[in-house]
Amino acid sequence: DAGVIQSPRHEVTEMGQEVTLRCKPISGHNSLFWYRQTMMRGLELLIYFNNNVPIDDSGMPEDRFSAKMPNASFSTLKIQPSEPRDSAVYFCASSLNGQGTDTQYFGPGTRLTVL
Amino acid sequence: DQQVKQNSPSLSVQEGRISILNCDYTNSMFDYFLWYKKYPAEGPTFLISISSIKDKNEDGRFTVFLNKSAKHLSLHIVPSQPGDSAVYFCAARIRANNLFFGTGTRLTVIP
Repeated sequence: DAGVIQSPRHEVTEMGQEVTLRCKPISGHNSLFWYRQTMMRGLELLIYFNNNVPIDDSGMPEDRFSAKMPNASFSTLKIQPSEPRDSAVYFCASSLNGQGTDTQYFGPGTRLTVL
Repeated sequence: DQQVKQNSPSLSVQEGRISILNCDYTNSMFDYFLWYKKYPAEGPTFLISISSIKDKNEDGRFTVFLNKSAKHLSLHIVPSQPGDSAVYFCAARIRANNLFFGTGTRLTVIP
């Protein structure tokens, strides 16, 4: 199994531009999570999906952030317009069914730099 | 406000000695705790976990201790090896999916 796949691995953009991060979860996993890692706050959950349906998006910072999961094998996290304070590493993770003691498997992350 | 706190950003230990990584939490509703390990340019990987009904869980060189009254857990690595050098994240969960992570502790094991 290839594990969770994220693209791009690195993204450098200018303030005001739209940024789209992509994630392919592990095949057969029904839950998908988007996290953001910063030095100050560590790993923060932004949103998670169960069976392609957003369950909890309370971690999404503001309306500039949006996430979609059009099918079981693909999800996007979009920032429009991007700001320098959005610079961070964004991780996608997936788990079997998101219940109980399910283990979350993380992708390698996308390092976003907004100039 | 951080519900899971790792107050030591870094720790250095000699190879063969014990590494102790600490984590404190504020929410008494947490019922499951996990440790993740992260190497540079990779995502976090699951290491070990403990349910709130236990006070200790052991897996090879790794042992996690939970002190619910103090809202404190710790990860012990014995003996420490250079390959253990990584960032360790403590995480906690309430019932379902939401994992709350700490800010991480960078462990360096000196050969």
